[in-house]
Amino acid sequence: AQTVTQSQPEMSVQEAETVTLSCTYDTSESNYYLFWYKQPPSRQMILVIRQEAYKQQNATENRFSVNFQKAAKSFSLKISDSQLGDTAMYFCAFRGNFGNEKLTFGTGTRLTIIP
Amino acid sequence: EPEVTQTPSHQVTQMGQEVILRCVPISNHLYFYWYRQILGQKVEFLVSFYNNEISEKSEIFDDQFSVERPDGSNFTLKIRSTKLEDSAMYFCASSEPSGGLTKNIQYFGAGTRLSVL
Repeated sequence: AQTVTQSQPEMSVQEAETVTLSCTYDTSESNYYLFWYKQPPSRQMILVIRQEAYKQQNATENRFSVNFQKAAKSFSLKISDSQLGDTAMYFCAFRGNFGNEKLTFGTGTRLTIIP
Repeated sequence: EPEVTQTPSHQVTQMGQEVILRCVPISNHLYFYWYRQILGQKVEFLVSFYNNEISEKSEIFDDQFSVERPDGSNFTLKIRSTKLEDSAMYFCASSEPSGGLTKNIQYFGAGTRLSVL
C-alpha cells in the first residue's frame, strides 16, 4: 500500500517570501501521479499542481513549482512570492496509474502567510 | 468552468438516522469518488465508482454505507444508520475517462459537513 508523509504540520512565512513544503511517499509502482491540493478555510479541495512520474521535468504553475526526486521518492512544493491568499492547508497526494485509482493523502501542512 | 456540486453544504442529523449526501459530478466525467475528512485530520478515501458499480472501497466503507447513481447526473452516498463518529466533511470527486486531457485529475466538490448529534 502506498503511504504519503508530510513532516511539517505547520509553517509560516512572510508575505512575498518563498516557502517549500515537503512530501515523501512510498510505492513499489514505477509510474504514478503526484498532486498538491490546497484547502483554504472554506475547506474546498483545490488542485494546485500535478506531476507525472514518468516526466523528468518538474511541473510549474505560475508561482507554484515542484521538486520531484523520483529515486528519493520526494515531492516538495515551492511557493514563490507568497500571498495572503496562499494561507491554507496543503495536502500532498499520490495516485497510481491504473484506471480510476484513489488518491492517498498525506496529513497536510498548515501554511500561514504573515502580512 | 465545470465544477462538482454537492448538496447540502451542512447536514445535521440524529444518531441512528439515515442520511443521503448528493453530488453532481462534472458532466463528461465517468469516474466518481467519495472521501471524508474528520475535523483536523487527513482526507480519507471511502469508495470509487465506475460503470454503475463500485470499483474499490476502503475499510471505512462498511455495510452502513452505499452509493448510487440514480440517474445520469447525480451520485449519492447513503449512510443507513449514522453514528457519532460519522461526523466529518464528505467530499465528492470526479475524473475524466482515460484519454481525456485532464485524466488522472480528480476534481472535488466543496463538501458536505455532516454533524451527527
